[in-house]
Formats: sequence, C-alpha cells, structure tokens
Amino acid sequence: DAGITQSPRYKITETGRQVTLMCHQTWSHSYMFWYRQDLGHGLRLIYYSAAADITDKGEVSDGYVVSRSKTENFPLTLESATRSQTSVYFCAGLDSGSGSDTQYFGPGTRLTVL
Amino acid sequence: GQQLNQSPQSMFIQEGEDVSMNCTSSSIFNTWLWYKQDPGEGPVLLIALYKAGELTSNGRLTAQFGITRKDSFLNISASIPSDVGIYFCAGTLVTGANSKLTFGKGITLSVRP
Repeated sequence: DAGITQSPRYKITETGRQVTLMCHQTWSHSYMFWYRQDLGHGLRLIYYSAAADITDKGEVSDGYVVSRSKTENFPLTLESATRSQTSVYFCAGLDSGSGSDTQYFGPGTRLTVL
Repeated sequence: GQQLNQSPQSMFIQEGEDVSMNCTSSSIFNTWLWYKQDPGEGPVLLIALYKAGELTSNGRLTAQFGITRKDSFLNISASIPSDVGIYFCAGTLVTGANSKLTFGKGITLSVRP
C-alpha cells in the first residue's frame, strides 16, 4: 500500500468540459506527481509539487492545471478537455523520508474524452 | 529530453525460464528503479538501486546498477504466470527528493504455462 488513492477510477467526459482528477495521500509524502500513460510513450510527467502551494510544470503540462492547498491532496484539472487528453492518469508520491528518490503510485484514473 | 531505452517492446517466455531485461541511456543516472505494472493498476516498485555496481535481489528478482551508470538490468528467475505485466525502468539524473523520474517505455512480459 503506497498510501495514494485516486478518484474517480474511470471517467468519461466530452470535449470542452472541465474535469478534475483527485489524488489523496495518507503517507505525508512531501513531493507529489501527476503522470499520463499512453501507448508508445510510457509515463510522462505532467506536473509535480514539492510541498503545499509549490507546483511546477513537467514535460506535458499544456492544458492542465494543478493546485496543492493541502499537503495530502493534489488535484489535476483539465480546463477544457480535448480528445488528445484521453489517457490513464497516475498520481505518485515521493518517499523523501528515507532519503531516496523512490516514487509510489496510485491505481490510476482512466479518462476518456469524447 | 533524457531517454531510457528498453527493448524489445514485448517478450514471450515459457514458465520456469529465466529472463533478463536491459535499460540503457546515453546519460549518466544517479538512481535506477524497476517497476512492474499489472493490467488496470499503477506501477509498483520492485527494486531501487543507488550506487554504481550495486546488485540487489528481491525474491526471484535481481537488478544491477551498471558500472558506467548508463545502464541497468533486471533478471527474473524461474518465471511464473503472475510475472506477466509491463516492466518499466526509471532513473533520476539528480539525487534527492527534488529529482524527477525519467521512465523507459516498458517491456510487456508474457509467460506461457
């Protein structure tokens, strides 16, 4: 158990709608990450956060917004969903307490944009 | 950006066989991690490597951090059906909590009973 939960697990939305994917952690990870996983691309970093109110862009951040008002929550918002954002989204937390770079992943949210 | 290369994309082996997977890069990495992903689930950490030359085992799994720091391998011995899944290598260029992971594209392993 990595202490990372994601909701919803499955979501279908329409082009142009705003949708928010939730990520909650119970392990007090200071760092949290959002990835998308697509065939042929592996896992690509969307956004990450070092602490509450500190966020930074990753490799594929266009069209996404994040916030982190509380350490335990790291929601990802698609402001105006596009079909190219159909993907599986994973949230991860970093076990910085051990001094390592080990990230632990949630179960993922499968998003379909029609 | 930095890339980790994993090939082939898919591997098919017989139950009981050993299998080895490689991950290479043109850049030097400070940390190497191996993850396994089951269908419909998130990646799960198998082994983490922090020093060049380090050899670490986890049950039937063994992984090594290459001496050049540009590669790593994962061995699975005496494969069983539940070894089926996607195996990702990942690495960080900078040690520490502010480092970002770079992932390979993964190898899909199939095990024939």
